[in-house]
Amino acid sequence: NAGVTQTPKFQVLKTGQSMTLQCAQDMNHEYMSWYRQDPGMGLRLIHYSVGAGITDQGEVPNGYNVSRSTTEDFPLRLLSAAPSQTSVYFCASSARDRGLREQYFGPGTRLTVT
Amino acid sequence: GQNIDQPTEMTATEGAIVQINCTYQTSGFNGLFWYQQHAGEAPTFLSYNVLDGLEEKGRFSSFLSRSKGYSYLLLKELQMKDSASYLCAVSLDRGSTLGRLYFGRGTQLTVWP
Repeated sequence: NAGVTQTPKFQVLKTGQSMTLQCAQDMNHEYMSWYRQDPGMGLRLIHYSVGAGITDQGEVPNGYNVSRSTTEDFPLRLLSAAPSQTSVYFCASSARDRGLREQYFGPGTRLTVT
Repeated sequence: GQNIDQPTEMTATEGAIVQINCTYQTSGFNGLFWYQQHAGEAPTFLSYNVLDGLEEKGRFSSFLSRSKGYSYLLLKELQMKDSASYLCAVSLDRGSTLGRLYFGRGTQLTVWP
């Protein structure tokens, strides 16, 4: 049971490039989320999914797309990278039958946009 | 928007007790969470409160007052390894936002020997 996995762990992009951050979980959790964490800003929700085929925007969705074709995977796409997207990105999942009581976080992806 | 406040930094001595406060003003409430995050690592779950009162789990306890929009995390018998950032988060209960977590900015706790 690997929990929540994220790839890559580190990435450097140039302004304007696009890329996909991968997130997968093997706990059959319904809920999955993407957060970004910036110094002094805490964790901010980017996008959210309550199940396969259903996604919704969080607090800071601009510049990011998501899709949820399977229960396990929830990739985050950066359409045209900007320096303001330099951050640490965390994916998290939680189970509906536990009343959403605990979110399990992946190890994070550290992204730098130059 | 959602407003969750906690102190930026706290320091304490090994073996002591420290209380980290969190106040919140949110559009709905489905529970309050505390997470611990060591530098360079992912947050890990510490506690969850949905009803008023104190929840105890070993050296850590968490308290909630829904009427006051207030929670605290109490750490006893502090150890060096407790040096970390402590994140307060609120889960909402409204329809499309059910299950979302809104985080405070975190309290950086430094434990001195």
